[in-house]
Amino acid sequence: DAGVIQSPRHEVTEMGQEVTLRCKPISGHDYLFWYRQTMMRGLELLIYFNNNVPIDDSGMPEDRFSAKMPNASFSTLKIQPSEPRDSAVYFCASSLGGANSYEQYFGPGTRLTVT
Amino acid sequence: AQRVTQPEKLLSVFKGAPVELKCNYSYSGSPELFWYVQYSRQRLQLLLRHISRESIKGFTADLNKGETSFHLKKPFAQEEDSAMYYCALFIYNQGGKLIFGQGTELSVKP
Repeated sequence: DAGVIQSPRHEVTEMGQEVTLRCKPISGHDYLFWYRQTMMRGLELLIYFNNNVPIDDSGMPEDRFSAKMPNASFSTLKIQPSEPRDSAVYFCASSLGGANSYEQYFGPGTRLTVT
Repeated sequence: AQRVTQPEKLLSVFKGAPVELKCNYSYSGSPELFWYVQYSRQRLQLLLRHISRESIKGFTADLNKGETSFHLKKPFAQEEDSAMYYCALFIYNQGGKLIFGQGTELSVKP
């Protein structure tokens, strides 16, 4: 099993451009999480889904950020328009529900640089 | 408010020295706490959970509800312990989510 898959691994874009990050969770996992990691703020939860439905998006910083999960095997995080302060590593994670839902499996991350 | 605080961004020790990575939490309910670790060029992964009370790679962590702390300890640090460590609080509402601290980078020098 390849685990959680994220693409691209690195993204460099100019301010004002649209950025789309992609995630494929582990098959059978019904929770999917998007995080942002920065030196200043550490690991922040942006949004999470259960069975493809957004449950909590209170961590999404602004309306410029949006996330979708059209099916159980795919999710996107979109930033439009991007700004230099969005530069960070974005992680996707998935987990099973129930008693073990605390154990999240993380992807390798997407390092985003906005110039 | 639900919060996890790791006061040290960087902790540097010599091989063989004891290590303690501090974690404090704020939560009105019954806390479930975890430590996650990210080694260089590897994915973030679960290290240990307070309920299991087991030792993983020589690390232990005890939940102290009086001090609202969950410090990670190891009596003798090894170079391979160098990594980024995150303390996390599990929130059951709405199916469950983790609140992570800011992380502590542990550097073990030879």
